[in-house]
Amino acid sequence: DAGITQSPRHKVTETGTPVTLRCHQTENHRYMYWYRQDPGHGLRLIHYSYGVKDTDKGEVSDGYSVSRSKTEDFLLTLESATSSQTSVYFCAISESAEYEQYFGPGTRLTVT
Amino acid sequence: DQQVKQNSPSLSVQEGRISILNCDYTNSMFDYFLWYKKYPAEGPTFLISISSIKDKNEDGRFTVFLNKSAKHLSLHIVPSQPGDSAVYFCAASDSGTYKYIFGTGTRLKVLA
Repeated sequence: DAGITQSPRHKVTETGTPVTLRCHQTENHRYMYWYRQDPGHGLRLIHYSYGVKDTDKGEVSDGYSVSRSKTEDFLLTLESATSSQTSVYFCAISESAEYEQYFGPGTRLTVT
Repeated sequence: DQQVKQNSPSLSVQEGRISILNCDYTNSMFDYFLWYKKYPAEGPTFLISISSIKDKNEDGRFTVFLNKSAKHLSLHIVPSQPGDSAVYFCAASDSGTYKYIFGTGTRLKVLA
């Protein structure tokens, strides 16, 4: 299994509060991704990174920001959480853009 | 607008028989496809991939078929085992962006 961890694994927060989710990898892969999974939508790409300090938007990036200051860490921040951001968030890594992605265990976020 | 569709939300198959999971896409630029398996409370696990230069790829009990003219791919699992019971996602990307679009998933139940 690829070495990917996500923290926290579960979080409950209130509307309007900032939240940061962390993805950590030990594989030294260049590409890192954040997805959200919601019923009826499958997995949707939020943001991705193709190197340290290099990031780009996915299909559902509004309300989210990311940062990657080290190869091994990719942070997802919800500046002001809303109930529509209640979801399961998955981090993924890939050696190269065209290769398969390996997913972390997920973070279940509930915004009340 | 769903570019990748898995029109069967669920499928039940007897142990030992063939499972066929289908996926349709609308974007003719898609040229790389992945299949993932997901158990509850875990991240998706990569199963098998196929690029548009092929029409078939095999890995053990898993075979993926690609019909580019019909914009259709299918995953065959033979023989099906109870441990195959999971949600299966297909994903597609084009080699220009390598941003994967996921289908909504098909829940497979293999009956012992």
